[in-house]
Amino acid sequence: DAGVIQSPRHEVTEMGQEVTLRCKPISGHDYLFWYRQTMMRGLELLIYFNNNVPIDDSGMPEDRFSAKMPNASFSTLKIQPSEPRDSAVYFCASSGGPSGREQFFGPGTRLTVL
Amino acid sequence: AQSVSQHNHHVILSEAASLELGCNYSYGGTVNLFWYVQYPGQHLQLLLKYFSGDPLVKGIKGFEAEFIKSKFSFNLRKPSVQWSDTAEYFCAVTSSGTYKYIFGTGTRLKVLA
Repeated sequence: DAGVIQSPRHEVTEMGQEVTLRCKPISGHDYLFWYRQTMMRGLELLIYFNNNVPIDDSGMPEDRFSAKMPNASFSTLKIQPSEPRDSAVYFCASSGGPSGREQFFGPGTRLTVL
Repeated sequence: AQSVSQHNHHVILSEAASLELGCNYSYGGTVNLFWYVQYPGQHLQLLLKYFSGDPLVKGIKGFEAEFIKSKFSFNLRKPSVQWSDTAEYFCAVTSSGTYKYIFGTGTRLKVLA
């Protein structure tokens, strides 16, 4: 298995633009997590899904952030409009199936909002 | 609410020194425990995990951790660190009935050659 796949790996955009981050979980995993990592705030859980359904979105910073999981193999995290304080590394992780509760992390998307 | 504490935020060691990183959690029920490592510029990778059984868990790269239920602790150890162990280390806990991790704030380890 290729592991968790995220795209793009790097994104540079200007304030006010829409940003879409993508994630493909490991096949057979039924949990998907979106995290944000910054120097100031560390690693934060934004939202997680089970069987494509959002279970806990209490970590989503504000209405500018939204996440979807239209099917078991794809999820998006969207920021509209983006702001410089959204600059961070965004990680996607998946778990479930034979792996149980162990989470496997993707390589991350480094987002820079100018 | 559940929480995970990693009291050492920054640790600096010389090569060959022994390492112990503390992790304490607050939850009275059955827990699953994890240590992850994040090398500079990379994603989190699993070092070791505890679900049940022998409380002394051995992981990759010579790391081990001991689950002490009475102390709510899961400390990470390595007898002799190498320069390549320079990284950030995260402890995480999940309880039965949920797949959501509670992460500690991380410990940045720097090993001097």
